[in-house]
Amino acid sequence: GNSVTQMEGPVTLSEEAFLTINCTYTATGYPSLFWYVQYPGEGLQLLLKATKADDKGSNKGFEATYRKETTSFHLEKGSVQVSDSAVYFCALLNTGFQKLVFGTGTRLLVSP
Amino acid sequence: DTAVSQTPKYLVTQMGNDKSIKCEQNLGHDTMYWYKQDSKKFLKIMFSYNNKELIINETVPNRFSPKSPDKAHLNLHINSLELGDSAVYFCASSDRVGYTFGSGTRLTVV
Repeated sequence: GNSVTQMEGPVTLSEEAFLTINCTYTATGYPSLFWYVQYPGEGLQLLLKATKADDKGSNKGFEATYRKETTSFHLEKGSVQVSDSAVYFCALLNTGFQKLVFGTGTRLLVSP
Repeated sequence: DTAVSQTPKYLVTQMGNDKSIKCEQNLGHDTMYWYKQDSKKFLKIMFSYNNKELIINETVPNRFSPKSPDKAHLNLHINSLELGDSAVYFCASSDRVGYTFGSGTRLTVV
């Protein structure tokens, strides 16, 4: 079946540090991959996505590259800000199943 | 205009009660969903409707009954509420490009 595995949090960083949140997936076929962000007390927002192998999704300084050979979609940001503190979800969509499957989420805490 | 709107945003109710959560989308999407987020932030799909037809039902108790009067609306009715139903419920809609989520309904059963 389809599944997503994320690194456990919380990830605690100082402002301007480099961020990596690991995500690997198991899927049949060729899924699309997503990162969603949930700020405290809010809903889910799409952060970035990639629809095929070697695609790079990017938004707000965050990047992730769809790596088919390692079945990974790691999230990176060169310099985090306090306002980036949130829970980050990796997800995959196998369009044939029309079901977005989420990882368990990784909480990021950025201190000044 | 809000793309996917859910009401109410907060719902506090006693065990055994029956309650409904409403969802509407104005994106013209054919497919709508209900997801449940538990206290550990884990997100799991409950139901999916495509053009008013149920296509996914993920082993959710019979006390949960979704209803889609038209493709822009997907409501969730819950009978005989239990403490374990306390969670945040997210509505979403999708097309081929991706999903759009509502802001969630925090249900607390006391």
